[in-house]
Amino acid sequence: AQKITQTQPGMFVQEKEAVTLDCTYDTSDPSYGLFWYKQPSSGEMIFLIYQGSYDQQNATEGRYSLNFQKARKSANLVISASQLGDSAMYFCAMRESMNYGGSQGNLIFGKGTKLSVKP
Amino acid sequence: EPEVTQTPSHQVTQMGQEVILHCVPISNHLYFYWYRQILGQKVEFLVSFYNNEISEKSEIFDDQFSVERPDGSNFTLKIRSTKLEDSAMYFCASSVTRENSPLHFGNGTRLTVT
Repeated sequence: AQKITQTQPGMFVQEKEAVTLDCTYDTSDPSYGLFWYKQPSSGEMIFLIYQGSYDQQNATEGRYSLNFQKARKSANLVISASQLGDSAMYFCAMRESMNYGGSQGNLIFGKGTKLSVKP
Repeated sequence: EPEVTQTPSHQVTQMGQEVILHCVPISNHLYFYWYRQILGQKVEFLVSFYNNEISEKSEIFDDQFSVERPDGSNFTLKIRSTKLEDSAMYFCASSVTRENSPLHFGNGTRLTVT
């Protein structure tokens, strides 16, 4: 079974509008972390935002926020006021805890969503 | 802001040759990783390294691969005898802790095996 599922291979959004990128995950570990990374066409992997499974509030970082719905096992990324520079691949990733027997810091990535921002 | 540095940015090699990919992790980070991404596919874990030894490795990380931290700053990935299917982007990453801190990635080395 997929640990991280990103169901949207590609998304379009108009500049200045908000967009939500979906991510669902599968784990039985009560302690885990969820991450979003941005990969522009130049190839680098840029960390955007982190949500811990015990965090009470949804994470926010500037124009990025994470809509964390623990019971539904979803961790959607919301980008507000999209900019042309937001056009990139976006990867959701999960890290299970060591105590659970999960991999030691091994980030498990989804297949990614390609976001295109239209002017 | 400190960053992970990878060199070279692009490496072309012939099948069967050895390659060494170089990384300088962020200085106060303790955990180091190599990932790879075959063109158009998802990012795959190769190996994690802590306290001068391998913590975990994936099925991809077979006997052809090795990692080293030869001094206090560099972290290298060696592929002993490259195959065509080793062509990929290789990312080095580091983190402060092992759990629930983000991995910071370098810009990657694009390896092309001909």
